[in-house]
Amino acid sequence: GQNIDQPTEMTATEGAIVQINCTYQTSGFNGLFWYQQHAGEAPTFLSYNVLDGLEEKGRFSSFLSRSKGYSYLLLKELQMKDSASYLCAVRDQDYQLIWGAGTKLIIKP
Amino acid sequence: IAGITQAPTSQILAAGRRMTLRCTQDMRHNAMYWYRQDLGLGLRLIHYSNTAGTTGKGEVPDGYSVSRANTDDFPLTLASAVPSQTSVYFCASSASDTDTQYFGPGTRLTVL
Repeated sequence: GQNIDQPTEMTATEGAIVQINCTYQTSGFNGLFWYQQHAGEAPTFLSYNVLDGLEEKGRFSSFLSRSKGYSYLLLKELQMKDSASYLCAVRDQDYQLIWGAGTKLIIKP
Repeated sequence: IAGITQAPTSQILAAGRRMTLRCTQDMRHNAMYWYRQDLGLGLRLIHYSNTAGTTGKGEVPDGYSVSRANTDDFPLTLASAVPSQTSVYFCASSASDTDTQYFGPGTRLTVL
């Protein structure tokens, strides 16, 4: 079967750095996405990786290792507004997105 | 309209009733999707459409139907609602099936 694993919840301090991990086992691989979802709102696109390595976009970076079936989302200089759920999704061989259950990130002052 | 809109925002429905959730996008995206999101689970694909006039089944299609008569609209119908269909429903669209998906604001549906 297809599976995406992420930690259920993480806590970090304002101004710090946090890394959210995602491991996957899917039928084929055509890219990995990270989305942010604030409570009661829609998911919004953060990043996309299809090749191995690090993609940096401001305070957010995303890393991919296809051989290990592993990705992480790195958030720097954490702000209170970063409190949200972070969803990892993999596009499989049929170009369908398989979603993890999400990681709820709690930021403390 | 800017982006994707969904209606209604929320609904309480009696079991056995028929219900249509509406989704409209103005980005001229070819592909559209319906997901449900339940606590502790990832988003699950119900149905999708890669282009107007075509539809396909996702991971959890039973009890739901869709149509795609034009590019902009992709309604989701529950023919006879059951309590297990209580969920938050998100519509999404992308330029093609290989592009990034963008989500509507969601519909919170409660079936009693």
